[in-house]
Amino acid sequence: DTGVSQDPRHKITKRGQNVTFRCDPISEHNRLYWYRQTLGQGPEFLTYFQNEAQLEKSRLLSDRFSAERPKGSFSTLEIQRTEQGDSAMYLCASSLSGSNQPQHFGDGTRLSIL
Amino acid sequence: KNEVEQSPQNLTAQEGEFITINCSYSVGISALHWLQQHPGGGIVSLFMLSSGKKKHGRLIATINIQEKHSSLHITASHPRDSAVYICAVVPGGQNFVFGPGTRLSVLP
Repeated sequence: DTGVSQDPRHKITKRGQNVTFRCDPISEHNRLYWYRQTLGQGPEFLTYFQNEAQLEKSRLLSDRFSAERPKGSFSTLEIQRTEQGDSAMYLCASSLSGSNQPQHFGDGTRLSIL
Repeated sequence: KNEVEQSPQNLTAQEGEFITINCSYSVGISALHWLQQHPGGGIVSLFMLSSGKKKHGRLIATINIQEKHSSLHITASHPRDSAVYICAVVPGGQNFVFGPGTRLSVLP
């Protein structure tokens, strides 16, 4: 069990550019979650997958955001035409299915928009 | 009004002190989690509660479902306990709703 890994750890980009983040969950976990955390705040839910199916999306996930989990393993989160307000820590977590399963978090990708 | 609130927002303690962090929520839940986040972002799950009390080492977590309230206690606090402690509830779906976190600093 290598834990949840996220790549990159830190991304700096200019406003208007597209960025893509990757999350590799714990291998036997079929649920995968994306969260966003701004400085000094608790994380906020963005979306989650059960295997390859995206089952829920937050209103925070605007049209510029898209997430995929094509083979039910790793997931990508893409932000198009980045804006200053997208600067945040993007956290990924995974869990087994079933109610009340604990979520295991990655270390996050910190996005800084110049 | 936020669905999950925590108090205090910031807490500074001397090494060895007994610490209590409180969480209150306004929705029905199937579980409540206490998480620890160190500088740099990594989040570690400390407890998952649906009733009663759990203890792990120097950490104790309690929940009162009727009162919609949970507490996290740290006994004999140590500087390495310095972190942000986040309460997160599961309102019946699969997703966490997070509190704003309590920033704890334990001074030597």
